[in-house]
Amino acid sequence: QVQLQESGPGLVKPSETLSLSCTVSGGSISTSYWSWIRQPPGKGLEWIGYIYYSGSTMYNPSLKSRVTISLDTSKNQFSLRLGSVTAADTAVYYCARDRGADRDYNGLDVWGQGTTVTVSS
Amino acid sequence: SYELTQPPSVSVSPGQTARITCSGDALPIQYVYWYQQKPGQAPVLVIYKDNARPSGIPERISGSTSGTTVTLTISGVQAEDEADYYCQSTDRSGTYWVFGGGTKLTVL
Repeated sequence: QVQLQESGPGLVKPSETLSLSCTVSGGSISTSYWSWIRQPPGKGLEWIGYIYYSGSTMYNPSLKSRVTISLDTSKNQFSLRLGSVTAADTAVYYCARDRGADRDYNGLDVWGQGTTVTVSS
Repeated sequence: SYELTQPPSVSVSPGQTARITCSGDALPIQYVYWYQQKPGQAPVLVIYKDNARPSGIPERISGSTSGTTVTLTISGVQAEDEADYYCQSTDRSGTYWVFGGGTKLTVL
C-alpha cells in the first residue's frame, strides 16, 4: 500500500527557508491530492496546502505569501518550501494523501510519520 | 477566515457513548472528515464524507450531521479510544481546507 516519508533538516534558522520533501512509495504520485499539514508543540493540526497531481496548488491563506508546494514525478516526491520562518513555524510537519479528484475529496487517508522542524538560531 | 469549532475535551466512562461535535457555517454544504490522533502518532482517518468509515475502522465509530453541526459518535467506548479527535472540512466554496481545534477524549 502507499506509504509516505518526510525528509529534511530538523533545524532551520529564523528568516531562512524551511524545505521538506515527501517520498511516495507503493503507488504513483500521478493521481490524488498531496498535502502538507503541521502541528506546533501541544497544539492542533493546521493545513498548509496541497498540490493536485495535475500540478495545481492551493494554500492556506494565512501562509500563502510564504509557501510553495511542488511535485517531482520523476522521483515520486512532492516538496514544501516555507520562507521567512520564525519560531512560530516550529512544528511537526506531516505529508498526507487525499485520493479525491476534481475537488471531490475523500479525506487524508495516508499520512507520513511526521518530521519535527525547529526554528532557532 | 473560515473556522470549525470543537469542544476542547469530552470525558466518558468505559462502555458508554462519546459524542464529539464540530460546528461550522459551511457544514450543511460541505463534507466533514474525522481523524483520531494518539500521542506521538500521525492522525488516522476514521470518518470521511460525513458518515463513511474507511476499511478497518470499527462500526462503533460513526458520523452524523444536523445543519451546521456534525457529530462523531463512539459507542461502547474502550480505553484504546482515548485520543485527540479532529474534524476537517472546507470553506463554503470548497477551496480551502480547515481543521477544527481538536477534542481530547478521556476515558475515565
